[in-house]
Formats: sequence, C-alpha cells, structure tokens
Amino acid sequence: HLQESGPGLVKPSETLSLTCSVSGGSMSAYWWSWIRQPAGKGLEWIGRMYSNGKSDQNSSLKSRVAMSVDTSKSQFSLRLTSVTAADTAVYYCARGGTIFGYWGQGILVTVSS
Amino acid sequence: EIVLTQSPGTLSLSPGERATLSCRASQSVPSNFLAWYQQRPGQAPRLLIHGISNRATGIPDRFSGSGSGTDFTLTITRLEPEDFAVYYCQHYGSSPFTFGPGTKVAIK
Repeated sequence: HLQESGPGLVKPSETLSLTCSVSGGSMSAYWWSWIRQPAGKGLEWIGRMYSNGKSDQNSSLKSRVAMSVDTSKSQFSLRLTSVTAADTAVYYCARGGTIFGYWGQGILVTVSS
Repeated sequence: EIVLTQSPGTLSLSPGERATLSCRASQSVPSNFLAWYQQRPGQAPRLLIHGISNRATGIPDRFSGSGSGTDFTLTITRLEPEDFAVYYCQHYGSSPFTFGPGTKVAIK
C-alpha cells in the first residue's frame, strides 16, 4: 500500500514537497517513482529512486527535482522547486523504476497564490 | 526522447464488442519495453500489460497486447462494463519513460 501526503496548495516560485509512505512490505531492493497527471491530461514520469539512493529524473524537470528515500521509515520523498501553475497536477507515487505495478491513490497539488 | 501517439482518441463501443487500441512510437522501442495501463475515473492507473504482451498479475485474458518496433496494439476481446476507461501505453526502454496521450473507451 502506498499513500502520498503533503500540502495541497503551493505558492508560485515555492517548493512542492511530497512524501510517499509504504506499508505492507519492504522498500529494499525496489525502485520507487513519482508520476504526475494534470487534470484531464496524460501521465508524466517525474523520476525514480532505488532503495540505495541511486536516482534518475526526467530531463525536462531534472534541474528542479530532488528525491530521497528513508527505508527505516518506509518513506520516499519528492521536492520540486520553483513551481508554476504548470506544475498543478495529481501526483502519484508508484513502486517500480520502469513499469509501475503498484500506485498510490494520488494527491492533488495546486500551484496558486 | 521517444514520443508515443495513440489512436483513436475515443473509441465508442458496446459491452461485448471487441476493442482495438493503437500505440505508435516515434522510434523503435528498445528491447520491446512497452506497457499498457488502464485508468478508471478518479482512480490511479493500473498496469495491464508489460513487455508488449505479458499480462500483469490478475489481469483477465480478454486483454492482450501485440506488436513490435514502433507499432503496438492492445486488444480487449469482449468488453465488460468495467473496461470502459482510459488506456495509456508507456515505453520503458530508455529514460525518460514516456506515456501516450491515452485512448478513451466509451460506452456507445
């Protein structure tokens, strides 16, 4: 089971911070990913992190994305800096680094002043 | 970056009919790393198919995938009421992993 948490409203130019809590299994030896979906639109892969901290991001967002993993807390996190209205979306966490077999329910993050 | 296009945008069919969804890649997908997802309204996507034709755990056999290179197809042989949803293809051959824009299967 995966559950996203964090602020639902972020001001433009600020940093979006989300956490994904993982239950029902170990985080070790898995890749974990963030994927987002603007309202009424398609899916965009943001990036992935392995349980040992190795990461890979979508080049379109790379300079603004940071991810971390804390296996002791069964959590992994996303930070997206300098947000704009274009970053408004439902953000999903998912297990997997290439194909995504388990997803959280998603969290809507709105960027607005 | 591999760009995926899907057609048609919307497919209007009746329960029991056969659905054929197309996904085309801008370049050959490495190692046939192509997946399909189903997304029902208000829900997260669900993995249906990976490696072009391998059904994920628990996916009924009315779902099948085929294709190679740049052209891929998802077929639903007999539409059940719960199959009316949006379907996305995704490549995972090289980063960044991208999704197609989706095909909506709507009730006629």
